[in-house]
Amino acid sequence: DSGVTQTPKHLITATGQRVTLRCSPRSGDLSVYWYQQSLDQGLQFLIQYYNGEERAKGNILERFSAQQFPDLHSELNLSSLELGDSALYFCASSVDPEGLARPEQYFGPGTRLTVT
Amino acid sequence: LAKTTQPISMDSYEGQEVNITCSHNNIATNDYITWYQQFPSQGPRFIIQGYKTKVTNEVASLFIPADRKSSTLSLPRVSLSDTAVYYCLVMAGGFKTIFGAGTRLFVKA
Repeated sequence: DSGVTQTPKHLITATGQRVTLRCSPRSGDLSVYWYQQSLDQGLQFLIQYYNGEERAKGNILERFSAQQFPDLHSELNLSSLELGDSALYFCASSVDPEGLARPEQYFGPGTRLTVT
Repeated sequence: LAKTTQPISMDSYEGQEVNITCSHNNIATNDYITWYQQFPSQGPRFIIQGYKTKVTNEVASLFIPADRKSSTLSLPRVSLSDTAVYYCLVMAGGFKTIFGAGTRLFVKA
């Protein structure tokens, strides 16, 4: 158990719909990362937040957005869903990406999204 | 960000030592090298991280030569439960983490 929680575990929805995935980081971790993993794309970095502020963006579509709240939990919003958005979505947290050390990321169990 | 190259797959037998090498020719001075393990339908799990020379923990060792253009993850005496995908990453402060395709390790009895 990494200490990172994600809800829901599974989500089935239809094309065109909007969903919200939730992530609670490990206690004390200020940074949250979101990743998408599909069969043909591997693990793709989407976006990173640090203490409520967006810090880095990866291959995140305009239909997707995220935020990190004052209590440090984060939500990933996926809208106008397409079949190709079906994937495992992982959240990870780390202590402080700005420190001298390069801390490891702790991954949650993921949310499996199926778009039908 | 430095791009990493690893073998796509490797086979081994229980009890053997497994060495997975990763090349990262464009590694920057402040980049760290990190390895993760992933089982099917689970999130990646941190294994080990290093900057230079050798790092060892209870799970693995990481060897990094002086030029830092490659690194080798060493798993001592693997078991069937070590069958997984292993990712090498070069991380500069955790920004824009890029996972490569990883190495699929298959451990046979």
